[in-house]
Amino acid sequence: ETGVTQSPTHLIKTRGQQVTLRCSSQSGHNTVSWYQQALGQGPQFIFQYYREEENGRGNFPPRFSGLQFPNYSSELNVNALELDDSALYLCASSLGQGATHSPLHFGNGTRLTVT
Amino acid sequence: QKEVEQNSGPLSVPEGAIASLNCTYSDRGSQSFFWYRQYSGKSPELIMFIYSNGDKEDGRFTAQLNKASQYVSLLIRDSQPSDSATYLCAVKGGAQKLVFGQGTRLTINP
Repeated sequence: ETGVTQSPTHLIKTRGQQVTLRCSSQSGHNTVSWYQQALGQGPQFIFQYYREEENGRGNFPPRFSGLQFPNYSSELNVNALELDDSALYLCASSLGQGATHSPLHFGNGTRLTVT
Repeated sequence: QKEVEQNSGPLSVPEGAIASLNCTYSDRGSQSFFWYRQYSGKSPELIMFIYSNGDKEDGRFTAQLNKASQYVSLLIRDSQPSDSATYLCAVKGGAQKLVFGQGTRLTINP
């Protein structure tokens, strides 16, 4: 059974640029969630995708957008990058639409640095 | 008031002792509670989850939940240097998202 995989591992971008982060969910998991973790903070919920549709969103501006594909893999896109977007971006997969008791299993994350 | 609160630490515990990590939450409708361990530069790793009031034990780890007091704790028995990490408390209600605390940094001293 393969776990959640994310790419790339590290990324350096310039303010104003756009970035796409990718995530492959754990085998059998149909729901993908994205989180942003700034240094010294807990992860913050960005949004969740279930069956290719956004299924809940946190307090992030519209320049944060996403996609989920038929194989349940997902992308996070961030436009007009700002310095404060520098963070560890975590993808987590789970089974079921917002299933309350379904634990999240995180990928290794993508470390984004915006200069 | 933050939705999930943890003491940021650092919490220093001698090797072999019991480490006690605490977490409070504000949403009384919360239904699921999770503890994650995060080593520096790594992603969070699920340690335990608990749904019902009381204690849940798994090896050296015990999670405790008191919904009336809106309080969750994690006990680590026989602490080892490899337990040194940041421990994240996360809470889930009826909505889709997990709400995390800021984490408690735990150091086990040999």
